[in-house]
Amino acid sequence: DAGVTQSPTHLIKTRGQHVTLRCSPISGHKSVSWYQQVLGQGPQFIFQYYEKEERGRGNFPDRFSARQFPNYSSELNVNALLLGDSALYLCASKGPYEQYFGPGTRLTVT
Amino acid sequence: GQQVMQIPQYQHVQEGEDFTTYCNSSTTLSNIQWYKQRPGGHPVFLIQLVKSGEVKKQKRLTFQFGEAKKNSSLHITATQTTDVGTYFCAGEGMRGFKTIFGAGTRLFVKA
Repeated sequence: DAGVTQSPTHLIKTRGQHVTLRCSPISGHKSVSWYQQVLGQGPQFIFQYYEKEERGRGNFPDRFSARQFPNYSSELNVNALLLGDSALYLCASKGPYEQYFGPGTRLTVT
Repeated sequence: GQQVMQIPQYQHVQEGEDFTTYCNSSTTLSNIQWYKQRPGGHPVFLIQLVKSGEVKKQKRLTFQFGEAKKNSSLHITATQTTDVGTYFCAGEGMRGFKTIFGAGTRLFVKA
């Protein structure tokens, strides 16, 4: 919320394509988490990264991968897109006592 | 695996009435967070509770974390139209770095 940036804002892809989503956390936060939110549901946890290491993984297929860079920014990659991957993808910047979400990337797969 | 259940799914109130949403985890949590999301927006962090039996207040909002660290509640006193939105709880498990969200409670406030 206080400074998490994500790009792009919106994205339209075709089934089978690949997508890369980007996130920059709040300055000073070393942890980034990724979530998928389908309309009408709560965010579903995909990954958490801390100091470039994967710390947690949700129940998503191997088509989903992520990485974190030395400046703590992060990328989420999704291969072989399916219609069901259409969702709002949220990045969260995590501190010891709080977690702030970015505005999200709205992905539409046609 | 870890599950977080949240009730009710929807709540319609008259402005000025109170509102409560409840959250229950299938496993003991290390902490629980609460968020508010407006339609078309992203979740906005409200608070994180860590201690067993913890109670925290933010103006008209009161947050509680159960003694067993498996349940939590959010209570809003004298709702206002600005309180509309969906309130989510999210629990982080003891074992790993995985935050599980409840399905949310959508609050409607009639003026």
